[in-house]
Amino acid sequence: GENVEQHPSTLSVQEGDSAVIKCTYSDSASNYFPWYKQELGKRPQLIIDIRSNVGEKKDQRIAVTLNKTAKHFSLHITETQPEDSAVYFCAASLNTGGFKTIFGAGTRLFVKA
Amino acid sequence: GAGVSQSPRYKVAKRGQDVALRCDPISGHVSLFWYQQALGQGPEFLTYFQNEAQLDKSGLPSDRFFAERPEGSVSTLKIQRTQQEDSAVYLCASSSEAGPRFFGPGTRLTVL
Repeated sequence: GENVEQHPSTLSVQEGDSAVIKCTYSDSASNYFPWYKQELGKRPQLIIDIRSNVGEKKDQRIAVTLNKTAKHFSLHITETQPEDSAVYFCAASLNTGGFKTIFGAGTRLFVKA
Repeated sequence: GAGVSQSPRYKVAKRGQDVALRCDPISGHVSLFWYQQALGQGPEFLTYFQNEAQLDKSGLPSDRFFAERPEGSVSTLKIQRTQQEDSAVYLCASSSEAGPRFFGPGTRLTVL
């Protein structure tokens, strides 16, 4: 089955710097890659997603890139702010009669003011 | 509009008790997902429904876990003979398209 690896597990950056989180997936048939932000004690929130027919997608300060050949995808946050501090999860979804979506283990991002 | 809701928000069960966790998805959402999230971990896939059809239940950890969505809207996750290792937050999510888009607040289950 699908396996999603996420790195780093913890990331600390200074306010205004960029943050990059990387994920790899194992099943080449995966075709949908969402990213979620989860604040302490809250529910995961979808922040951006990308499909396998697209190499890059941007939404204001966040962007995601996908390399299908290497089976890895990354989240980029620019001009980080303290409110960006949270746990971020990547996920990979396989559309075979359903959308079984497997999550990575998460990256705890700290943005220091 | 209303988002995904779950009840109860907190549940304490004695080992061996049966529990039922409810999920009310966003109205009209075809897809419904259940996930289990242990403390400090990522959500683990349990099962997926498309309308009333359970298309994937490969993540259910044992035959003590059972999920249903009989009318294609509200879903219930039932855990029989609860064990301490079942303690976790159970998240429900719904979507009108690919993947889980909107999560509920979760039910925190503690098995004593």
